[in-house]
Amino acid sequence: DIVMTQTPLSSPVTLGQPASISCRSSQSLVHIDGNTYLSWLQQRPGQPPRLLIYKISNRFSGVPDRFSGSGAGTDFTLKISRVEAEDVGVYYCMQTTQFPYTFGQGTKLEIK
Amino acid sequence: QITLKESGPTLVKPTQTLTLTCTFSEFSLSTSGVGVGWIRQPPGKALEWLALIYWDDDKRYSPSLKSRLTITKDTSKNQVVLTMTNMDPVDTATYYCAHTFIAPTSTVSFDYWGQGTLVTVSS
Repeated sequence: DIVMTQTPLSSPVTLGQPASISCRSSQSLVHIDGNTYLSWLQQRPGQPPRLLIYKISNRFSGVPDRFSGSGAGTDFTLKISRVEAEDVGVYYCMQTTQFPYTFGQGTKLEIK
Repeated sequence: QITLKESGPTLVKPTQTLTLTCTFSEFSLSTSGVGVGWIRQPPGKALEWLALIYWDDDKRYSPSLKSRLTITKDTSKNQVVLTMTNMDPVDTATYYCAHTFIAPTSTVSFDYWGQGTLVTVSS
């Protein structure tokens, strides 16, 4: 199984300031078709997960442009340019390159 | 707008079999590339992928749970059913179903999720 490791596990951030979450996979996420199936999901308190970013850097429909994804191979980053109150929650990276699909442990974003 | 909704028992006893149904709308599981997956989340813990079924009836399972899981689809009813045998208190979790679509330009991720259903395993 591909192990997904996120850092940090908790991130206190000041409103209006940037935030960054890292995700590392135990092996390359490059699929034989050439794509890299690394996604980021947001889970607000009491809500189901919501897809933010797919294939490393593509924002899903309706996702604000303050969210961006980058990376390649085994190292990936989710950045929020200016944190807003509604961004509070837990963020997960997930790989769908290889079965079994796997998630990171989650990073809790909270406001200072 | 794609929607999914999970249904099933909220409480099961240890050793019993859990049957969960995912009822969805605004897509068809007979469309090439479409899939529905199940993911669970124990209280306060991370997400865990369980199983996935595709339009062509290809089925994938988590290796650690494969012996206990069965996923099926009823295309005419727009439903996917997950059964998990021999339930244990450690299986207490919120169970989600989610839509996926595999195509060169698609997300190949879980892009639409149900609200989830909390299943408690206790005698």
